[in-house]
Amino acid sequence: QVQLVQSGAEVKKPGASVKVSCKASGYRFTTYGFSWVRQAPGQGLEWMGWISVDNGNTNYAQKFQDRVTMTTDTSTSTAYMELRSLRSDDTAIYYCARGGSFSSSTPFDYWGQGTLVTVSS
Amino acid sequence: EIVLTQSPGTLSLSPGERATLSCRASQSVGSNYLAWYQQKAGQAPRLLIYGASFRATGIPDRFSGSGSGTDFTLTISRLEPEDFAVYYCQQYGSSSTFGPGTKVDI
Repeated sequence: QVQLVQSGAEVKKPGASVKVSCKASGYRFTTYGFSWVRQAPGQGLEWMGWISVDNGNTNYAQKFQDRVTMTTDTSTSTAYMELRSLRSDDTAIYYCARGGSFSSSTPFDYWGQGTLVTVSS
Repeated sequence: EIVLTQSPGTLSLSPGERATLSCRASQSVGSNYLAWYQQKAGQAPRLLIYGASFRATGIPDRFSGSGSGTDFTLTISRLEPEDFAVYYCQQYGSSSTFGPGTKVDI
């Protein structure tokens, strides 16, 4: 069965970076892409961007364009999301979600369990 | 960026009743690339509907989606106790955006 297992909770200081991982299993890793979605405490869902595993193409939301990098490692079937220059309002649960291989225009059929990132001095 | 608005913000119903949730887009959603997700407290979202009207794998047929262009609807024909949750619409035709959610509670 398809599983996406994310790395554990992180606590970071303002200005630092965080890198969240998402290990996939149960399907052929290279035939899908990943989106990353975050959810601030008590708030709604916010799409951050998408990456194709097949060719590394990315599509980042304008809001995160300058601070986010999404990558994948086919040798370990793992997707990564790095967010830099963290601020207190980046405190949120970060989810990976399986999406399309060739474009971000697909729904998200499987989700990771979420990783809580807390930004605090 | 396509902005999605959902109404109502909260829907208070009882088990067995019908729930009708609305999602409106600021511009037409290309190819009706509109999805609905259910999220329960402490859990990741779950895909219910994609392409405006197609049920995802394993989703009961009491869930149905309809609409096109800028106006979309999620209907739960008869609420089960496990259906009380927050529901989000998402457009994925132009990058992606989510609506603010509708909470269905008792």
